[in-house]
Amino acid sequence: DVKVTQSSRYLVKRTGEKVFLECVQDMDHENMFWYRQDPGLGLRLIYFSYDVKMKEKGDIPEGYSVSREKKERFSLILESASTNQTSMYLCASSSSPSPGGYTFGSGTRLTVV
Amino acid sequence: EDKVVQSPLSLVVHEGDTVTLNCSYEVTNFRSLLWYKQEKKAPTFLFMLTSSGIEKKSGRLSSILDKKELFSILNITATQTGDSAVYLCAVVGGTSYGKLTFGQGTILTVHP
Repeated sequence: DVKVTQSSRYLVKRTGEKVFLECVQDMDHENMFWYRQDPGLGLRLIYFSYDVKMKEKGDIPEGYSVSREKKERFSLILESASTNQTSMYLCASSSSPSPGGYTFGSGTRLTVV
Repeated sequence: EDKVVQSPLSLVVHEGDTVTLNCSYEVTNFRSLLWYKQEKKAPTFLFMLTSSGIEKKSGRLSSILDKKELFSILNITATQTGDSAVYLCAVVGGTSYGKLTFGQGTILTVHP
């Protein structure tokens, strides 16, 4: 069964901490994505990557960075966590070219206190 | 900037009712529209629509796309409590990277 695995289901961090959210896929997909999901706002794209070491800003990249050193792994980094980054974070991957066909991870609920 | 708007934002019905969820979009170089169902965790794929007027159907769920009027609807007939979820609409446009733009989601609650 193909999978996108996010390393943590729940995380609680303090304001100012550096936070790493990890995502691993086993489908050899070229494209990987990080979204955050907030009530009433749907899923908003933070960053995506279409190849190893390549990254593109999404709609809300401020306060975040990403790393893709290996094809299967895409990391989201909060350099200095703030309370407004409390959210559900979803990772996804897809093959290219692809009109869709996303596979999502189960999400990480991050609380910044 | 690509934009997807869903309506209603929330809906409460009783088992057996039929519901229609709406999704309108504005996107550059439209490629496809997708519907997802999200319960407690990862969204699960329902339908992908690329052509106007062709209904996709899966059990009690069906969906259709109108590329001229830039909208899609998702119908659920004979609703059950297990249909309670957030329903997400997303569009793919632009590059071949498959970047999805999502709507706000519709929260459906089905009471027994």
